[in-house]
Amino acid sequence: DTEVTQTPKHLVMGMTNKKSLKCEQHMGHRAMYWYKQKAKKPPELMFVYSYEKLSINESVPSRFSPECPNSSLLNLHLHALQPEDSALYLCASSQGPQDRSSPYEQYFGPGTRLTVT
Amino acid sequence: RKEVEQDPGPFNVPEGATVAFNCTYSNSASQSFFWYRQDCRKEPKLLMSVYSSGNEDGRFTAQLNRASQYISLLIRDSKLSDSATYLCVVAPVGDDKIIFGKGTRLHILP
Repeated sequence: DTEVTQTPKHLVMGMTNKKSLKCEQHMGHRAMYWYKQKAKKPPELMFVYSYEKLSINESVPSRFSPECPNSSLLNLHLHALQPEDSALYLCASSQGPQDRSSPYEQYFGPGTRLTVT
Repeated sequence: RKEVEQDPGPFNVPEGATVAFNCTYSNSASQSFFWYRQDCRKEPKLLMSVYSSGNEDGRFTAQLNRASQYISLLIRDSKLSDSATYLCVVAPVGDDKIIFGKGTRLHILP
């Protein structure tokens, strides 16, 4: 099973709201990711968690706050977003870093389509 | 030079034809290579990992040329359902990050 689930599928929020995106995987993967994707662009990495610890933050504004409660769950807390933050937010998971013997593919969830009004 | 470069297309190809995409990468330490496909308003889905020896999955063949730092994807007997954006993905060894190309849009014409 290579399923990553995300909720909600769609979210509309005002600039003063606080909301959270949720992601779950049950593949025993040790790395989980948040990406942001705008139309006709590739996914843009935001955060990486490895063994439940934040390992990469791609200089994301503090209005996005990630959280990894356990090895299967990943949240993205949103506060005081701007209209330009409207995008598809994708969660992904992977078994591990690339090594010479085995490529570790990333598996993506269906995404949350976020609109900030 | 960009880390991963792809021809953005669009490639407009008649059904049944063969189409090939290339992708070049700049980091010679890159170790793992993948092709993903992404349908409109959907998530990227893994199409194939690309191995040094090349690999084939049905109508799809992927090749890696480390000396010239490029990977390729060949689609034979193209179907209407192959219409999508194809993303080339490269990852250095020991790194959690993967690098996406900008994607190549493919339209299969009836």
